[in-house]
Amino acid sequence: EVQLVESGGNLVQPGGSLRLSCAASGFTFSNSAMSWVRQAPGKGLEWVSVISGSGGSTYYADSVKGRFTISRDNFMNTLYLQMSSLRVEDTAVYYCARALAGDGSYRYYYMDVWGKGITITVSS
Amino acid sequence: QSALTQPASVSASPGQSITISCTGTSSDVGAYNYVSWYQQHPGKAPKLMIYDVTNRPSGVSNRFSGSKSGNTASLTISGLQAEDEADYYCSSYTSSSNYVIFGGGTKLTVV
Repeated sequence: EVQLVESGGNLVQPGGSLRLSCAASGFTFSNSAMSWVRQAPGKGLEWVSVISGSGGSTYYADSVKGRFTISRDNFMNTLYLQMSSLRVEDTAVYYCARALAGDGSYRYYYMDVWGKGITITVSS
Repeated sequence: QSALTQPASVSASPGQSITISCTGTSSDVGAYNYVSWYQQHPGKAPKLMIYDVTNRPSGVSNRFSGSKSGNTASLTISGLQAEDEADYYCSSYTSSSNYVIFGGGTKLTVV
């Protein structure tokens, strides 16, 4: 069974740091690009970041650029999101998802497998 | 980069058809056939319904279809069923620095 399980959620103070993990199983992780998508309470989805299967390419939303770092360990089948300089507006459910490329491209823009999500609360 | 524009809500009766629009720009929806749609029930993770504008993943009902004209993509759901009641989000690759953008979401009510 294809599965993604997020962990590392917590309550953190503004300006603090946190690392999320996402354990993957049921598919060849190293061949798959992976993304993080978040959803603030009562709000819509917001794409956060994507990393290629090799880890050699990464992209970020402007809202997190310079503060968040996506990475992966293909031996441990695990995706990470290192978050620093956290702001109240980063409060959200964070989803880990497998990202696929548009036909004939390397643009990993759509997500076909999603985790259940993990809650991050940034508050003093 | 602003989010793609979707209607906040739509409603229809069981058996009817509805279309949800998703308007972007010449930097995203209008420039690429890289539009996807997601269904999200309350408290659940999103589910991929359409990718590459018109393609349905295996297991998604053929009552769901996608299309695009210019800067606007659309999701059509025919033969509405009670379980279709959910939030729907469009998404597109963008040539802007954001890489991927979502629409604000549309709440579908089946009354």
